[in-house]
Amino acid sequence: KAGVTQTPRYLIKTRGQQVTLSCSPISGHRSVSWYQQTPGQGLQFLFEYFSETQRNKGNFPGRFSGRQFSNSRSEMNVSTLELGDSALYLCASSSAGGPYEQYFGPGTRLTVT
Amino acid sequence: AQSVTQLDSQVPVFEEAPVELRCNYSSSVSVYLFWYVQYPNQGLQLLLKYLSGSTLVKGINGFEAEFNKSQTSFHLRKPSVHISDTAEYFCAVSSTGTASKLTFGTGTRLQVTL
Repeated sequence: KAGVTQTPRYLIKTRGQQVTLSCSPISGHRSVSWYQQTPGQGLQFLFEYFSETQRNKGNFPGRFSGRQFSNSRSEMNVSTLELGDSALYLCASSSAGGPYEQYFGPGTRLTVT
Repeated sequence: AQSVTQLDSQVPVFEEAPVELRCNYSSSVSVYLFWYVQYPNQGLQLLLKYLSGSTLVKGINGFEAEFNKSQTSFHLRKPSVHISDTAEYFCAVSSTGTASKLTFGTGTRLQVTL
């Protein structure tokens, strides 16, 4: 079974631009969560989507948004990029949400200059 | 809200020696507990999880952890480490109310040397 895939793997953007990251969960998984990983703040939960609905949300500004499609693929968008948005963005999928094993993708490394 | 404290940012250990990585959590509600491992340039892989039941949890690659409710701890142990265990280890917690939202500790870098 194919794992969680994230595209692109690396991205360089300029401050003020916007960016869209994509995540394809494991086949059959309906829950997708997003996390931001930085050296200073560590791993922080952004949001979770389940069956196309946002079910949980972390403490990030409204510039961070996401959505989930009917095939469970998910995208997250960051508008008006700031230097502090440079991070590894990780996507995780699970079969039904809840305390089930979350399978993580390799991440998208975003650099904002 | 929950929080996780990993007391050691780095743990150096010789190959074949035992190791313990410490994790303490804080929560006002019941929790689920997890240990993840991250190898360089990769995502996170689940080592083990505690949901309920037996407080001693066995995971992959010979790791185990013990849930101690009175001390709010979930320390990770391995009796004999290998060079390939060199990685970053993260302890995480979620509440029974928002079980898919993981709160992570800051990580412990395990460095195994010959």
